[in-house]
Amino acid sequence: SYELTQPPSVSVSPGQTARITCSGDSLPKKYAYWYQQKSGQAPVLVIYEDSKRPSGIPERFSGSSSGTVATLTISGAQVEDEADYYCYSTDSSGNHRGVFGGGTKLTVL
Amino acid sequence: QLQLQESGPGLVRPSETLSLTCTVSGDSISSGTSYWGWIRQPPGKGLEWIGTINYSGSTYYNPSLKSRVTISVDTSKNQFSLKLSSVTAADTAVYYCARHMYYYDSSGYLCTSPGGYWGQGTLVTVSS
Repeated sequence: SYELTQPPSVSVSPGQTARITCSGDSLPKKYAYWYQQKSGQAPVLVIYEDSKRPSGIPERFSGSSSGTVATLTISGAQVEDEADYYCYSTDSSGNHRGVFGGGTKLTVL
Repeated sequence: QLQLQESGPGLVRPSETLSLTCTVSGDSISSGTSYWGWIRQPPGKGLEWIGTINYSGSTYYNPSLKSRVTISVDTSKNQFSLKLSSVTAADTAVYYCARHMYYYDSSGYLCTSPGGYWGQGTLVTVSS
């Protein structure tokens, strides 16, 4: 079965740059998406199609993808960015299976 | 403003069928511009994609759940639904509905992804 691999946790100080990676064999052919989930809330889309930012998402959130690794970058992380972050993509078969990464807990302190 | 709202029983007995409905307001499912789908999250765990459907009823399911899952659409009510049969305690989770974006990759395969609009989620507990 297809998997997307994320580090369990990332920790930065306020104002530093946080980078969260997502590894998957299909990423060279498929877009990556990133979601932010704060405790007790529904996920929020922060990056779509590898690097596009939805309206209302701060500019400090950016995304990139190279080969089998997609990266979410938060430039100048704020305390309010502390949350779980999930990547998402689809497998390389024609059957269309959506897959989430295991999630990364971002701590900003 | 687009809104999605999940509804259904919060408690389901083991071996029975879990049934949830997502009511969409602010957009028409029959417009055909989006897919619509379900995602779940067991307590304290990560997100799991369940499946999606479009206005005409074309469905795509997570292979790990495919034998037990049915997603259907009722365009007259602007709703789509989830049924999960033969549930066990492992199906206890917060269930989210979400509008999905879609594109066709370089091989022409359909790919969908949850977009910017999600329901608030509803906790379904499987217990006797």
